[in-house]
Amino acid sequence: GENVEQHPSTLSVQEGDSAVIKCTYSDSASNYFPWYKQELGKRPQLIIDIRSNVGEKKDQRIAVTLNKTAKHFSLHITETQPEDSAVYFCAASMKGAQKLVFGQGTRLTINP
Amino acid sequence: GAVVSQHPSRVICKSGTSVKIECRSLDFQATTMFWYRQFPKQSLMLMATSNEGSKATYEQGVEKDKFLINHASLTLSTLTVTSAHPEDSSFYICSVPGGTNYGYTFGSGTRLTVV
Repeated sequence: GENVEQHPSTLSVQEGDSAVIKCTYSDSASNYFPWYKQELGKRPQLIIDIRSNVGEKKDQRIAVTLNKTAKHFSLHITETQPEDSAVYFCAASMKGAQKLVFGQGTRLTINP
Repeated sequence: GAVVSQHPSRVICKSGTSVKIECRSLDFQATTMFWYRQFPKQSLMLMATSNEGSKATYEQGVEKDKFLINHASLTLSTLTVTSAHPEDSSFYICSVPGGTNYGYTFGSGTRLTVV
C-alpha cells in the first residue's frame, strides 16, 4: 500500500521568511496530493492540492510542486505570518474514492 | 461543497463500555467513507474503509471485532468502539470522498476519553 513520508517534523522560521515542507510517496499510481492545515482538536483544512498531471500550483502565498519521477511533492509558504503557525500534513491517494494516506505531519512555528 | 456531520464531538465513557460515533453525509450520497484515528501530536492513521451495503475493509493492525463499522445507508456510517479501554482514548474522524473529482470532506471529529 501507499506510504507517505514527511519532513521535517518541526520547522521554525522568522516571520516574513519562507517555509518548505517535503513529502515522498511510494505508490506510483497515486495521483492526488493534498496539503492540510490542522489546528489543535479540529478537522484538517485543505489549503492546496495538486493532481499528477500538473507540476506546480500556486495560490497566493502558498504553492505546491510535484515531481512524479522522483515521487515527491513539496509545500512552499512565502512571506510567512504568525497565523501560519499550525501542524501541516501532506497526503496522497488515487482517483476513484480511494483511501487518503497522510504523512507524519510538520509543526510549523512562525517567530515574530 | 460537501457537508459531513459527525457526532458526538466529545464523549467520556467508562472502561468496558461501548461508544458509537456517527458520520453523516448531508448533501450527497457516499458509497465509501473512511475512519481515522489521531493520537496526540501524531498523524491521522486510517483505521478502515466503510463500504455501503458490505463489510468494511480494515487496515492492518486494526481489530475489526473491537471497532465495528456499519454503513447501512448512503448517508450514514457508524463506528462503534466496543469494550473501550483507556488506550482507545483518541480523536476519531471520518472522511468522505466527494464534492469534487478528487476532494475529501472531513467530519468535525470525536474526542473519546475512556476513564
